[in-house]
Amino acid sequence: EAQVTQNPRYLITVTGKKLTVTCSQNMNHEYMSWYRQDPGLGLRQIYYSMNVEVTDKGDVPEGYKVSRKEKRNFPLILESPSPNQTSLYFCASSLLPQGPQHFGDGTRLSIL
Amino acid sequence: ILNVEQSPQSLHVQEGDSTNFTCSFPSSNFYALHWYRWETAKSPEALFVMTLNGDEKKKGRISATLNTKEGYSYLYIKGSQPEDSATYLCASNTGNQFYFGTGTSLTVIP
Repeated sequence: EAQVTQNPRYLITVTGKKLTVTCSQNMNHEYMSWYRQDPGLGLRQIYYSMNVEVTDKGDVPEGYKVSRKEKRNFPLILESPSPNQTSLYFCASSLLPQGPQHFGDGTRLSIL
Repeated sequence: ILNVEQSPQSLHVQEGDSTNFTCSFPSSNFYALHWYRWETAKSPEALFVMTLNGDEKKKGRISATLNTKEGYSYLYIKGSQPEDSATYLCASNTGNQFYFGTGTSLTVIP
């Protein structure tokens, strides 16, 4: 089954404790992206990747890192999480940058 | 940052009614316009991707149009059903980046 898998689905943690949200797709998609969803705001793009070893900043990259060492994986890293990073996060992938995106089920992060 | 706006913010319609929503986006740096359907407790699902001025797409009772010159797209739902209740998101793609609107929340009352 074609899917984008994010882990964990839920996480409560404390300020400053490094965390990684994993994202994996099984569709051989080139384009992958991370978004955050906050109340009253649309999905905002954090980082995107056009292909292996090619990543770029979206609209709200501050406080986040990503890597794309393999085509299927695109982890989101919060080196020193802060409460303003409490949000719902989505990973998405598409065959081409302009193509319809397939979204993961979301990760709800709470940073205390 | 591109400003993508959707209206109305929310909508309640009776089962069987037809309805439409609007997405407006800057015409500059435009590459494609996406529509997604987002049900509560699920993830967004792609409905349409349109790139050319005048594009029209249809999937069952749902259709969409695109005007790139004036920077807007309409989503139409004909004969709304309770299962159409969801938030409908539009996103402008500039080639590499996506800019989403805040969505239109549709509730179809049986």
